[in-house]
Amino acid sequence: DTAVSQTPKYLVTQMGNDKSIKCEQNLGHDTMYWYKQDSKKFLKIMFSYNNKELIINETVPNRFSPKSPDKAHLNLHINSLELGDSAVYFCASSQDRGDADGNEQFFGPGTRLTVL
Amino acid sequence: SQKIEQNSEALNIQEGKTATLTCNYTNYSPAYLQWYRQDPGRGPVFLLLIRENEKEKRKERLKVTFDTTLKQSLFHITASQPADSATYLCALAGYKLSFGAGTTVTVRA
Repeated sequence: DTAVSQTPKYLVTQMGNDKSIKCEQNLGHDTMYWYKQDSKKFLKIMFSYNNKELIINETVPNRFSPKSPDKAHLNLHINSLELGDSAVYFCASSQDRGDADGNEQFFGPGTRLTVL
Repeated sequence: SQKIEQNSEALNIQEGKTATLTCNYTNYSPAYLQWYRQDPGRGPVFLLLIRENEKEKRKERLKVTFDTTLKQSLFHITASQPADSATYLCALAGYKLSFGAGTTVTVRA
């Protein structure tokens, strides 16, 4: 069974479109995250939810909106896609919040978004 | 400003040798530091965690050191194998994980 799964794996779309990426974890973790990995391979946190509550919201354009319907799911919706949004987006989960001890994170396989 | 630097972008070594990767940081005071492995087309996988009061941690052929005075962590892969070829990321922990850009290790048979 996949611990953290994301759909779709690949997403190719035109500028200006709206798209969503879904994430689910079956580890029973309390905290979920969205990361963006750009072409230079830097992995940067975008959002974090703990028990459905937003706890981290980095400097991300308002076009990005996370939604956590329950503890096991964290979806990412992106409005008015731009060329610069092209990247790989990773979902992750951990047992505790980011400031807790031993915060090992489990990552999904990633969604490669290409905006044309 | 805060910065995390991992030594060279790429490290090529002969099978059986020890690979040593460096993670230096400035303007951070992490309570602990983690190392992850990332294979092409996959998400990072957790390897090791070391706390600020620990000098060294080992797991099988992996060894991590953490020097909060030097603001540096070293990651060693001993008796390296071609299967160890991957990108290795260090991550500093506070209220969030902050990742370095990674070092890509290639182990030649």
